[in-house]
Amino acid sequence: AQSVTQLDSQVPVFEEAPVELRCNYSSSVSVYLFWYVQYPNQGLQLLLKYLSGSTLVKGINGFEAEFNKSQTSFHLRKPSVHISDTAEYFCAVIRMNRDDKIIFGKGTRLHILP
Amino acid sequence: DGGITQSPKYLFRKEGQNVTLSCEQNLNHDAMYWYRQDPGQGLRLIYYSQIVNDFQKGDIAEGYSVSREKKESFPLTVTSAQKNPTAFYLCASSQQFPGEGYTFGSGTRLTVV
Repeated sequence: AQSVTQLDSQVPVFEEAPVELRCNYSSSVSVYLFWYVQYPNQGLQLLLKYLSGSTLVKGINGFEAEFNKSQTSFHLRKPSVHISDTAEYFCAVIRMNRDDKIIFGKGTRLHILP
Repeated sequence: DGGITQSPKYLFRKEGQNVTLSCEQNLNHDAMYWYRQDPGQGLRLIYYSQIVNDFQKGDIAEGYSVSREKKESFPLTVTSAQKNPTAFYLCASSQQFPGEGYTFGSGTRLTVV
């Protein structure tokens, strides 16, 4: 079975500073990887996804993530955060070519400090 | 525009009452899902359906029921057997190809009063 670990439950960062949200996964087979964002009292919105090809994936709102197969990681980064990035971020994984469900991490709450 | 509509956005329930949360999608997705979200616990899967007239229990199905009579609709009933129903409920849908991920509705916040 696959699993997803988000290493930080909360990350405080000053506005305009860079941020990295960490995600590690475990799976015995190849997977697709996702990052979702959830603003307060809203549903989840897809930020970016890794299917294949280039290991650096760019998403919406200036976010990017890097797939590292050897370290089984898919960390999310942004070079300069804005107050509007305040949200909860979920890493997720699903096995390729399987009739399966997405497994979500427990989320990382990003706090932007003025 | 295509998407998922959840209604109502806020719902209040008296103890002992059943309530039904609506989820409708016009994305022509085959699969639909219900999640429960509590602070600090991430998303927990309640039920999912991959085809009309068929559905499976997720990790926390006790006290909940669903139906899938139409491809577009997947209502969730929170029964009186659910001991702690106050939570944020999210509906999602997906295509057959797993690499597309899920599309989520905007959620329903249920409060027991």
